Amino acid sequence: SQKIEQNSEALNIQEGKTATLTCNYTNYSPAYLQWYRQDPGRGPVFLLLIRENEKEKRKERLKVTFDTTLKQSLFHITASQPADSATYLCALAGNYGQNFVFGPGTRLSVLP
Amino acid sequence: DAGVIQSPRHEVTEMGQEVTLRCKPISGHNSLFWYRQTMMRGLELLIYFNNNVPIDDSGMPEDRFSAKMPNASFSTLKIQPSEPRDSAVYFCASRGDTYNEQFFGPGTRLTVL
Repeated sequence: SQKIEQNSEALNIQEGKTATLTCNYTNYSPAYLQWYRQDPGRGPVFLLLIRENEKEKRKERLKVTFDTTLKQSLFHITASQPADSATYLCALAGNYGQNFVFGPGTRLSVLP
Repeated sequence: DAGVIQSPRHEVTEMGQEVTLRCKPISGHNSLFWYRQTMMRGLELLIYFNNNVPIDDSGMPEDRFSAKMPNASFSTLKIQPSEPRDSAVYFCASRGDTYNEQFFGPGTRLTVL
């Protein structure tokens, strides 16, 4: 069965450092992968999308990589700030956007 | 744009009662998703509609759960009869094109006593 793992349940880093979150998957060949941010008591909010034929995407302080051989995506937040503290979820989708699956999430805390 | 609208925001009911959750997607979006989120199981996809037609309902836990989308601007998720283990936050999300992001509503926090 399909399985998605995110590196750790919680990650603490110091303000100004780069946060790196990992998303690994098995038994899945996604057409694309997305990263979402979720704050307590709210629904997830989209951050970035990367397709299977893309290696890297950037948006401001965010960078995502996608390695279909390793079946892994890395999500980086550079120059992290306390406001970046939230739960980050990766999500996979097949062709036509079907078979949408979310990972368990990583709770990031950026300490001042 | 008001975003995805869900009602009610909170629902407390007793075991055995029928519960109906409502969702209004963003106008023009042709895909709608219902999710359930718990601490133990994370965010689970229950059902996915495209152009008002259910495409994938493999995540619906059992026959007690049913979902409908009578038109492009409204969907319901019904639980009958409800059980304490159904307690969770239920999210509705909508999406435009296939490779676009999903926009989530604020969720309905359901507590079944």
